[in-house]
Amino acid sequence: KAGVTQTPRYLIKTRGQQVTLSCSPISGHRSVSWYQQTPGQGLQFLFEYFSETQRNKGNFPGRFSGRQFSNSRSEMNVSTLELGDSALYLCASSLGLAMETQYFGPGTRLLVL
Amino acid sequence: AQTVTQSQPEMSVQEAETVTLSCTYDTSENNYYLFWYKQPPSRQMILVIRQEAYKQQNATENRFSVNFQKAAKSFSLKISDSQLGDTAMYFCAFTYAGGSQGNLIFGKGTKLSVKP
Repeated sequence: KAGVTQTPRYLIKTRGQQVTLSCSPISGHRSVSWYQQTPGQGLQFLFEYFSETQRNKGNFPGRFSGRQFSNSRSEMNVSTLELGDSALYLCASSLGLAMETQYFGPGTRLLVL
Repeated sequence: AQTVTQSQPEMSVQEAETVTLSCTYDTSENNYYLFWYKQPPSRQMILVIRQEAYKQQNATENRFSVNFQKAAKSFSLKISDSQLGDTAMYFCAFTYAGGSQGNLIFGKGTKLSVKP
């Protein structure tokens, strides 16, 4: 099976712009979770989608949003970018059942100038 | 709130030796899962091993094993016969069985260097 894929792999944006990141889960997986990784804060949970519904949400401002499509692919959007949004954004997929292991994609490295 | 603490920011080990990475967590829950993930310099996060809290037997995966002490809320990872390919960041993670499955809580990580 193909693994979790994320596009694009690298992005450079300027403050105030918005950005959309994409994640394609492993075939058959219905849950997609997003995490932000920074040197200072480490790995922080953004949100999780299951069957096109947001099932859980971390403590991030409303500028961070996401959605999931019927084929389980997911997108996350960050509006009005700030310098502090520079990070590696990781997506992980799983079957969505209780306690299933999450499998991570390679990440999208976002740099905000 | 659940927290995960990895007290060793960096460690090094000689090739073929054994190393133990520490992890402690804080939770009031009784049913949860613990994980060790590895993130090599290429950045792809890979699952190393997982442990269900209700299981008393420590999980093992080839050269990787854990020492799970539920009462002490400790979950250490032992790597035997270390290999150069084990060089990576190692993250301990926790998830609560009763809530949404998607939320992993991570420690800050331990950077492991395996030296030839």
